[in-house]
Amino acid sequence: AQSVTQPDARVTVSEGASLQLRCKYSYFGTPYLFWYVQYPRQGLQLLLKYYPGDPVVQGVNGFEAEFSKSNSSFHLRKASVHWSDWAVYFCAVNSGTYQRFGTGTKLQVVP
Amino acid sequence: DTTVKQNPRYKLARVGKPVNLICSQTMNHDTMYWYQKKPNQAPKLLLFYYDKILNREADTFEKFQSSRPNNSFCSLYIGSAGLEYSAMYLCASRDRVSNSDYTFGSGTRLLVI
Repeated sequence: AQSVTQPDARVTVSEGASLQLRCKYSYFGTPYLFWYVQYPRQGLQLLLKYYPGDPVVQGVNGFEAEFSKSNSSFHLRKASVHWSDWAVYFCAVNSGTYQRFGTGTKLQVVP
Repeated sequence: DTTVKQNPRYKLARVGKPVNLICSQTMNHDTMYWYQKKPNQAPKLLLFYYDKILNREADTFEKFQSSRPNNSFCSLYIGSAGLEYSAMYLCASRDRVSNSDYTFGSGTRLLVI
């Protein structure tokens, strides 16, 4: 069945450091993949999406993600983390008529 | 306006009582979704409306009802709340025909006591 797995429940990085949040997918064929961010007391906001094509996709606020078919992965990256990036990040895959989500990774940014 | 609005923001309900959550969107999206989100778990799809057609997940079929009296409005109804219904409920919409992105509401946090 189509699914995504986020192996890290919590990631802590220093402000200004680089970031990678991991997402592994299970999908028969070529998936459509997404990263969302949820700030406190807000809904999910789309960061970026992958449709078959260039494996590296750019998103908002300096985020990018790279699709890898060989590794079944779609990791999220940012070169320099800001304190305002403190949030929960969800990976998702299109599964027929709706999106399936991972369990989320809580990002903590420390000084 | 490109937002999905959910009311109320917080809801306190007693065990055994009904609960009705409301979602609205003005983007003329053809599809509206309800997800349940519990701590440390992935958002789980409960049901969705494509136009006037309701699709409910098999494992939550009997627990949740919904109505969509017009394109903009969708409700989620729990006939008799149990403690296990305590969760965040997220509404989302999209236009399947044009393959638009999903737009999510801010959620309703339901606490059943």
